[in-house]
Amino acid sequence: GAGVSQSPSNKVTEKGKDVELRCDPISGHTALYWYRQRLGQGLEFLIYFQGNSAPDKSGLPSDRFSAERTGESVSTLTIQRTQQEDSAVYLCASSLVPGLAVTDTQYFGPGTRLTVL
Amino acid sequence: DAKTTQPPSMDCAEGRAANLPCNHSTISGNEYVYWYRQIHSQGPQYIIHGLKNNETNEMASLIITEDRKSSTLILPHATLRDTAVYYCIVRPRGSQGNLIFGKGTKLSVKP
Repeated sequence: GAGVSQSPSNKVTEKGKDVELRCDPISGHTALYWYRQRLGQGLEFLIYFQGNSAPDKSGLPSDRFSAERTGESVSTLTIQRTQQEDSAVYLCASSLVPGLAVTDTQYFGPGTRLTVL
Repeated sequence: DAKTTQPPSMDCAEGRAANLPCNHSTISGNEYVYWYRQIHSQGPQYIIHGLKNNETNEMASLIITEDRKSSTLILPHATLRDTAVYYCIVRPRGSQGNLIFGKGTKLSVKP
């Protein structure tokens, strides 16, 4: 079946503008994750949604970052007043219900490459 | 999650087996060993996971030592497309939340 999809694949914006990044998880996956990867660096966790529970926002680097999720479907990550240090690849992943599940293998999308000029 | 240690880089000749080691000496009884890889400019890709028995799928084999303190990911016939950073992650059964990626092993498959 279809994997995790993200749009746009590339986004170039000017400093100070707001951007919205979209993630469509695998159908039936209740958990959704956003990560960030700066050039040549490892993955940084941003936010985690699981069903109707309150999201884990512990990885969001500042209040300029926010994310929403519509039920167990699409999610959008919004970055307000973008800064040059926000330039990175933003990756989304989804997984089946964790907790009681034996595993919660995460499946990643291709990412959105954000460049802030 | 238990800490893992991997060599920073390895080379492998095309067509040969690539054996990627991972040490996880502090692993606890309910923690699984997962392997992911990230090919340049792509998102991470799940490869395989295991608890204590050796596992094999269409991508790779996972060999876990009897004491579970280390494991080896085996790509039986490496191709140029297997060039990637390989991450070993240990994670409790049923755990939730984000994966913690270390630095991984940069595998370079050479012609």
